[in-house]
Amino acid sequence: DIQMTQSPPSLAASVGDRVTITCRASQDIRSSLAWYQQKPGKAPKLLVFHTSRLDSGVPSRFSGSGSGTDYTLTVTSLQPEDFATYYCQQYSSTPLTFGQGTKVQVK
Amino acid sequence: QVQLVQSGAEVKKPGASVKVSCHTSGYMFTAYAIHWVRQAPGQRPEWMGWINGANGNTKYSESFQGRVTFTRDSSATTAYMELNSLTSADTSVFYCARGSGTGWYLDYWGQGSLVIVSS
Repeated sequence: DIQMTQSPPSLAASVGDRVTITCRASQDIRSSLAWYQQKPGKAPKLLVFHTSRLDSGVPSRFSGSGSGTDYTLTVTSLQPEDFATYYCQQYSSTPLTFGQGTKVQVK
Repeated sequence: QVQLVQSGAEVKKPGASVKVSCHTSGYMFTAYAIHWVRQAPGQRPEWMGWINGANGNTKYSESFQGRVTFTRDSSATTAYMELNSLTSADTSVFYCARGSGTGWYLDYWGQGSLVIVSS
């Protein structure tokens, strides 16, 4: 199974901050990486797929990058609605696996 | 618009089974797979497997193989997940999600079904 490791596990930020979350795969996942946002009591919401493609309706302050085993999600100018937990997910091979999450909290 | 609506919360005894439904609308059911994902409290999502909406073929995670069954009723555009031999470790929210047509990422999710296993 491909292991996905996110960092940091949590971070504290303010509205307007730039936030970067990293995700490392245990082997090359050939850009088959998605990012989800989850708020308490809600289902995950797709933000990014194929490493860098924003899902429909996702604000342009979100961006993804990376290749091989290392990937990042960046939020420029964090907004109040962005405080949530973010998960990466690889879909290079089954079983599909998720990172442990990064909780973005209010500083 | 694409919607996935799941059945409600359940409380089960250890050793029992649970069956969760996922009614879909707003897209061609047979053109996409439905994935099932478990999320225990405070944990990361855990992929359980998928069912092909067109032919009912299934792929199960080894973690659940032998204990889970996916079915679907294409005429009702509904998918089902049945999990047997429940233990307290199965207390989780179970999600159905549509598999994208261009990769195994999950583009639309149901609202989740809470299953509590308790004696």
